[in-house]
Amino acid sequence: GQNIDQPTEMTATEGAIVQINCTYQTSGFNGLFWYQQHAGEAPTFLSYNVLDGLEEKGRFSSFLSRSKGYSYLLLKELQMKDSASYLCAVKDSNYQLIWGAGTKLIIKP
Amino acid sequence: DVKVTQSSRYLVKRTGEKVFLECVQDMDHENMFWYRQDPGLGLRLIYFSYDVKMKEKGDIPEGYSVSREKKERFSLILESASTNQTSMYLCASSLKGETSPLHFGNGTRLTVT
Repeated sequence: GQNIDQPTEMTATEGAIVQINCTYQTSGFNGLFWYQQHAGEAPTFLSYNVLDGLEEKGRFSSFLSRSKGYSYLLLKELQMKDSASYLCAVKDSNYQLIWGAGTKLIIKP
Repeated sequence: DVKVTQSSRYLVKRTGEKVFLECVQDMDHENMFWYRQDPGLGLRLIYFSYDVKMKEKGDIPEGYSVSREKKERFSLILESASTNQTSMYLCASSLKGETSPLHFGNGTRLTVT
């Protein structure tokens, strides 16, 4: 079967750095997406990786290793507004999105 | 900015009722999707559409149908609501292309009693 694994919940301190991991086992791979979802709101697109390596976008970076079936989202200089759920999703060989259950990130002052 | 609008934020319906969830996007996107989101589970795809009058079943289509008569509008229909359809329903749209991200509406929280 197809599977995306993320930690259920993480806690970090304002101003610090946090890494949210995502491992996947899918039938084929056609890209990996990260979305942010604040409580009660719509998910919003953060990043897309299809080649190995690190993609940096301001305070957020996303890394992909296709050989390891692994990605992480790195958040630097954490702010209270970064408290949200972070969803990892992979496009399989049929270009269908397979979603992880999401990681709830709690930021403490 | 893409706007995806879902007609209701909260709905309460009774078992057996027919329920319509409406979704409209304003950016001329070809693709539209309906997902449900339940605690502890990843988003699950109910139906999707790549063009007007086209529809494809997702992973959990049972008990649902859809309609796409106009490019901007994608409706989800629960033919006879049941309590196990109590959930958050998310509509999304995207451009054609494998790298195009999804743009989501704010969701409709449906409670079936």
